Amino acid sequence: EVQLLESGGGSVQPGGSLRLSCAASGFTFSSYAMSWVRQAPGEGLEWVSGISTSVGSTYHAKSVVGRFTISRENSKNTLYLQMKSLRADDTAVYYCAKHEDGSGYAHYFDSWGQGTLVTVSS
Amino acid sequence: QTVVTQEPSFSVSPGGTVTLTCGLSSDSVSTTYYPSWYQQTPGRAPRTLIYNTNTRSSGVPDRFSGSILGNKAALTITGAQAHDESDYYCMLYMGGGIRVFGGGTKLTVL
Repeated sequence: EVQLLESGGGSVQPGGSLRLSCAASGFTFSSYAMSWVRQAPGEGLEWVSGISTSVGSTYHAKSVVGRFTISRENSKNTLYLQMKSLRADDTAVYYCAKHEDGSGYAHYFDSWGQGTLVTVSS
Repeated sequence: QTVVTQEPSFSVSPGGTVTLTCGLSSDSVSTTYYPSWYQQTPGRAPRTLIYNTNTRSSGVPDRFSGSILGNKAALTITGAQAHDESDYYCMLYMGGGIRVFGGGTKLTVL
């Protein structure tokens, strides 16, 4: 059974940094592309960042370019999201999601984690 | 700025049929956007329903179906049940590794 467990959320001041982690199990992590999706309180889903099996292939939404970096450590079956220069509108539940294949151009998500809450406030 | 459009809300009677749509502000949605659909109930993670326009994810009942209707992607629920009351999101693959969600449709079954 695929399991995705996010951690690292919490409260941070505007301008601060935070690193989220997603521990994966139940599948061959190194063979699948992964993404982060967030949901602000009371709002819809927003795709944030994606990474292929090849560490060099990363993709980010315009809203986070230059501030967020997605990465993965296949030896630890773990996905990361390094967030810096955080703003109040980055407040959201952040979900880790598994794609259907390993390509950076994978088209959809087939599994989701339960999410971790990030609150940016002074 | 690419905007993926969905009806903000929809209502259906128990046992009825409803079709939710997913459009683009600047283009017609086709299979080349690989539309996918996700269901989410409050406080829970999303669940994948449909991918590649019309393929049901594992375990999704055949009451849910996906298609292209005109210039939009569509999610049709037949024989709506009370527990189908949820938020429904479409997502389009825009190319270059970029994905965009629609704003979501809140479905009420009453």
